[in-house]
Amino acid sequence: DIQMTQSPSSLSASVGDRVTITCRASQDIGHSLAWFQQKPGKAPKSLIYAASSLLSGVPSKFSGSGSGTDFTLTISSLQPEDFATYYCQQYSGYPRTFGQGTRLEIK
Amino acid sequence: QLQESGPGLVKPSETLSLACTVSGGSISGYYWSWIRQFPGKGLEWIGYIYYTGTTNYNPSLKSRVTISVDTSTNQFSLTLSSVTPADTALYYCGRGYRFADVWGQGTTVTVSS
Repeated sequence: DIQMTQSPSSLSASVGDRVTITCRASQDIGHSLAWFQQKPGKAPKSLIYAASSLLSGVPSKFSGSGSGTDFTLTISSLQPEDFATYYCQQYSGYPRTFGQGTRLEIK
Repeated sequence: QLQESGPGLVKPSETLSLACTVSGGSISGYYWSWIRQFPGKGLEWIGYIYYTGTTNYNPSLKSRVTISVDTSTNQFSLTLSSVTPADTALYYCGRGYRFADVWGQGTTVTVSS
């Protein structure tokens, strides 16, 4: 299985900050990476696919980059609604696998 | 929209059965997935089905899992046999085979006697 490792596991930031979350794959996955946002008690919401393409309706404050084994999710100008847990997921191989999540908390 | 349904409590060694109803659109033409989230919040991909019935399962569950589709009712289903407490999780249905771009709200299944 392809292992996905996110860092950091948790992150404290203030409203207005810009933050970056990293996701590393255990092998080359090209651009086959998606990012999700999950708020407490809610299902994950898809944000980005193909490493850097925003899904319809996702604000441009979210951006993704990377290829191969190293990927980042950047969120600019943090607002209270952005504080949540973020997951990456690879779809280059089977089984599909997720990172362990990064919890973004208000400082 | 996707909506999961099924028993919230299953006894060890029994079979877990869940359904996902697709509303607001047709089940045809798409791939449909099951994903679960453990109490510690980790996510695990269970498998997917194409509306034609083609499936792909997580090898770690392959001997116990079956995903089926019923286009006449716009539903797809998950069965997981011989469950143990380790199968206790929040079960989500989703659309897509690469990643789930649309998710149901999830249903909690507890395995306990």
